[in-house]
Amino acid sequence: DTAVSQTPKYLVTQMGNDKSIKCEQNLGHDTMYWYKQDSKKFLKIMFSYNNKELIINETVPNRFSPKSPDKAHLNLHINSLELGDSAVYFCASSQDLRTSGANEQFFGPGTRLTVL
Amino acid sequence: AQSVSQHNHHVILSEAASLELGCNYSYGGTVNLFWYVQYPGQHLQLLLKYFSGDPLVKGIKGFEAEFIKSKFSFNLRKPSVQWSDTAEYFCAVRRGGGATNKLIFGTGTLLAVQP
Repeated sequence: DTAVSQTPKYLVTQMGNDKSIKCEQNLGHDTMYWYKQDSKKFLKIMFSYNNKELIINETVPNRFSPKSPDKAHLNLHINSLELGDSAVYFCASSQDLRTSGANEQFFGPGTRLTVL
Repeated sequence: AQSVSQHNHHVILSEAASLELGCNYSYGGTVNLFWYVQYPGQHLQLLLKYFSGDPLVKGIKGFEAEFIKSKFSFNLRKPSVQWSDTAEYFCAVRRGGGATNKLIFGTGTLLAVQP
């Protein structure tokens, strides 16, 4: 059983389009994250939600909007896609920091976004 | 700002060679430290982590890391690498006692093991 899953795995689209990436975890975790890995493999956190509440919001263009319908899902919607948005986007999840201390983050398989 | 440095960007070893990958961080307070591995085309997996206690941490697949507080370092080691260890290795730091579980990643080290 996949612990953290993402769809789609690959996404190729034109500049200016709007697209969404979905993430689901079946680990019963309370906290979910979105990371961006650029072409140089540098990983940087974008957002984090804890029980559907936004707790980390890094300096990310407001074209990126995360949505958490429930604590098992954290989707990422991107408006007006730009060439620089091309990257691999990883979703991750962990237990609630406030109840269990610092915990390991479990990562999804990634979504490779290519903007043409 | 907190940062994580991995000085070795690309390492090439022959099978059975010993491995040490460097990781240094800049935060002066309590930290939690992690090493993740990303095999080609796969997601990140945790190799090992340090929260407190014994500074020598053993992880999966024969990897270990040593936390040296005075040097702000958390180097990853393996006595004898295998071809299957070919992957990208990421060091990550979390500020201990912080209100969030924000991980700061290093830029990664690409390890290529030649058979």
